[in-house]
Amino acid sequence: EAQVTQNPRYLITVTGKKLTVTCSQNMNHEYMSWYRQDPGLGLRQIYYSMNVEVTDKGDVPEGYKVSRKEKRNFPLILESPSPNQTSLYFCASRGQGNSPLHFGNGTRLTVT
Amino acid sequence: AQSVTQLGSHVSVSEGALVLLRCNYSSSVPPYLFWYVQYPNQGLQLLLKYTSAATLVKGINGFEAEFKKSETSFHLTKPSAHMSDAAEYFCAVSDVRDDKIIFGKGTRLHILP
Repeated sequence: EAQVTQNPRYLITVTGKKLTVTCSQNMNHEYMSWYRQDPGLGLRQIYYSMNVEVTDKGDVPEGYKVSRKEKRNFPLILESPSPNQTSLYFCASRGQGNSPLHFGNGTRLTVT
Repeated sequence: AQSVTQLGSHVSVSEGALVLLRCNYSSSVPPYLFWYVQYPNQGLQLLLKYTSAATLVKGINGFEAEFKKSETSFHLTKPSAHMSDAAEYFCAVSDVRDDKIIFGKGTRLHILP
């Protein structure tokens, strides 16, 4: 089954404790992206990657890192999480051109 | 720069009534337009997409949307609402110049019994 898999689904952590949210897709998509969803703000793009070893900042990249060492994986790293990063995070991938995005089921992160 | 405006963060309709969710976009070139639906505790799923083949686009679950260039609109409709349609709906736009997809802020649809 074609899918985007994120882990974990839920994560509660404390300020400053490094964490990684994993994302993997099995559709051989070149494009992958991370979004955060906050009430009243919709989806905002954090980082995206057009291909292996190619990453770019989205609209809200501060406080986040990503890497794309393999085509299927695109982890999101929070080196020093802060409470304002409490949010619902989605990973997505897409095929060539203007194909629609395929989304994971989300990771709800709480930073206390 | 592209942008998407969804009118109404919350819309309530009675079961069996017409659903109309509004989306207006701005783009200096012909856009690609998408509607996504998000059910509780799930990711976004594609409802339908417009890629210039036809102005009236049919999607899943009985939804459709009409691209109106003169009004820069891509409103989502369904003739008869069902309780299972309660969800959040997002309109999104992209264009041929880049791979960026811009999302609206979303409209939460409530279905009244």
